[in-house]
Amino acid sequence: DVKVTQSSRYLVKRTGEKVFLECVQDMDHENMFWYRQDPGLGLRLIYFSYDVKMKEKGDIPEGYSVSREKKERFSLILESASTSQTSMYLCASSSTRYGELFFGEGSRLTVL
Amino acid sequence: GIQVEQSPPDLILQEGANSTLRCNFSDSVNNLQWFHQNPWGQLINLFYIPSGTKQNGRLSATTVATERYSLLYISSSQTTDSGVYFCAVNPFTDKLIFGTGTRLQVFP
Repeated sequence: DVKVTQSSRYLVKRTGEKVFLECVQDMDHENMFWYRQDPGLGLRLIYFSYDVKMKEKGDIPEGYSVSREKKERFSLILESASTSQTSMYLCASSSTRYGELFFGEGSRLTVL
Repeated sequence: GIQVEQSPPDLILQEGANSTLRCNFSDSVNNLQWFHQNPWGQLINLFYIPSGTKQNGRLSATTVATERYSLLYISSSQTTDSGVYFCAVNPFTDKLIFGTGTRLQVFP
């Protein structure tokens, strides 16, 4: 079975802090994605990556950056967290560009 | 851009009942997936079904790509089926487009 693991299920951070959300997949997938999910707004794509060291902006990249130094790991970085970034963050991976998507358990971030 | 609409938006069932969830999309798509988001927030894959019919236990799905819709059938529902069901489509671009979801509550 495909396993996508997110480092933290629940985080509480203060405004201005630098936040790292880590995601690891164990199926050698080329493609990895970060989404955020908010009530009434659905799932929105933040960033995605089709290969190591490659990244592409999604629909809402502002305030975020990403890092993909190894194929299995895709990190989402909030350089200076703000209260508007309080949300559920979901990482996903797929073997092909339009292939089946597998999600991690999610990380619920609260910024105070 | 492509529109993905799910119906009904909310569904309340008693344990043991059957249900059908629908996903309509406004343009041709490369693939379609059904997910179940459990009460803890995790999105769990149910079906990857660009066309045709698939079954997995009490759940089955049918996608009629030419008519731009997909159906998810849940038979003999259980309380553990509660949560939100999403369909998501890829309209030949890089980005998966998610539907608005159907919130299912199953009571004992």
